[in-house]
Amino acid sequence: GAGVSQTPSNKVTEKGKYVELRCDPISGHTALYWYRQSLGQGPEFLIYFQGTGAADDSGLPNDRFFAVRPEGSVSTLKIQRTERGDSAVYLCASSALQGRELFFGEGSRLTVL
Amino acid sequence: GESVGLHLPTLSVQEGDNSIINCAYSNSASDYFIWYKQESGKGPQFIIDIRSNMDKRQGQRVTVLLNKTVKHLSLQIAATQPGDSAVYFCAEESNAGNNRKLIWGLGTSLAVNP
Repeated sequence: GAGVSQTPSNKVTEKGKYVELRCDPISGHTALYWYRQSLGQGPEFLIYFQGTGAADDSGLPNDRFFAVRPEGSVSTLKIQRTERGDSAVYLCASSALQGRELFFGEGSRLTVL
Repeated sequence: GESVGLHLPTLSVQEGDNSIINCAYSNSASDYFIWYKQESGKGPQFIIDIRSNMDKRQGQRVTVLLNKTVKHLSLQIAATQPGDSAVYFCAEESNAGNNRKLIWGLGTSLAVNP
């Protein structure tokens, strides 16, 4: 499709496990964002990529969280030693170089048991 | 600290009526504001935006008003339809270097009664 694609749509894991969430942005969009959203809350910024580099990673909560975008397109959010508090919907968004409108995917719902 | 918040967590309107959703912000450095709509199980969808040098901006059936004096933002939806039922978020962005992250409010749930 033409929109932002996120996989998996749902992930259930056990506390302490490693998780990877994938985002495939809209073709040609150079900016990519990861947000985290808890039930009833607005999205919380995690990290912003411009091309391959992380322009702002100030929202990553701790060093268990890491994200990469090696070729400037697909991005992977990696969470090590998952904790129950990591349970949330992880949203990815992309935007064109000069554009400010963010196009969001449908999110990956992570549940840590 | 700086924050963006909504006055009303829920709003119920009759189909065909106009809806007004309000938002307060406290960061006077913010220069860009956006309204997003989020339907259940989906990602947020852009509705309309406004820059801080404007007071009003209109789209299709939607109008955003910005009052910088009292740091207040509102979204007006004309002739509300059942398809407008969703959670609405306001978000702000400050022009701080390369920082392009949005700060989001808590959201208002809009329910449209047929």
